[in-house]
Amino acid sequence: DIQLTQSPSSLSASVGDRVTITCRASQGIRNDLGWYQQKPGKAPKRLIYRASTLHGGVPSRFSGSGSGTEFTLTISSLQPEDFATYYCLQHNSYPRAFGQGTKVEIK
Amino acid sequence: EVQLLESGGALVQPGGSLRVSCAASGFTFSSYAMSWVRQGPGRGLEWVSTVSDDGGTTYYADSVKGRFTISRDNSKNTLYLQMNSLRAEDTAIYYCIEGYYFDYWGQGTLVTVSS
Repeated sequence: DIQLTQSPSSLSASVGDRVTITCRASQGIRNDLGWYQQKPGKAPKRLIYRASTLHGGVPSRFSGSGSGTEFTLTISSLQPEDFATYYCLQHNSYPRAFGQGTKVEIK
Repeated sequence: EVQLLESGGALVQPGGSLRVSCAASGFTFSSYAMSWVRQGPGRGLEWVSTVSDDGGTTYYADSVKGRFTISRDNSKNTLYLQMNSLRAEDTAIYYCIEGYYFDYWGQGTLVTVSS
């Protein structure tokens, strides 16, 4: 089974900061990775699929990159509405697996 | 607009059974794989199960294999999750999700397993 390891598990940042979250897969998954944002009490929403394709309506300050075993989610200029928990998900094979999440908090 | 409305969540005793449903609209339901993902209290996301667009192929997490059954009725645009032999650790919000790439998520339904 493929495992995903996210880092960091949490971070504190200020509005306007550039933020990068990393997701590492235990084996190569090509570009079969998505990123999701979850705010407290709400369902997750997809931000990115196929490692770098932006979901419709997602602001362009979000970007994804990577292939194989290492992937990154970057927020180029953090906005107040971006404070949330972010998860990666591999959709290369079953069982599907999520990373453990990265909580982005206000500094 | 894609809409996924889960229902059927409840308080159930350990060892009991429950079926949760997801009514879908706003897309051609029979053309998309569908999945369930759960989130225990204060925990991360856990994939539970996926069914192919025609219902012919199913996948399960090891933690639910043999106890849970995913199914769909394409004539009713509805996804189901039958949960048997429920345990305390199955307590979670259960989300219904559309698409192979987990495109859209419902708001979830809460299942609590407790005596």
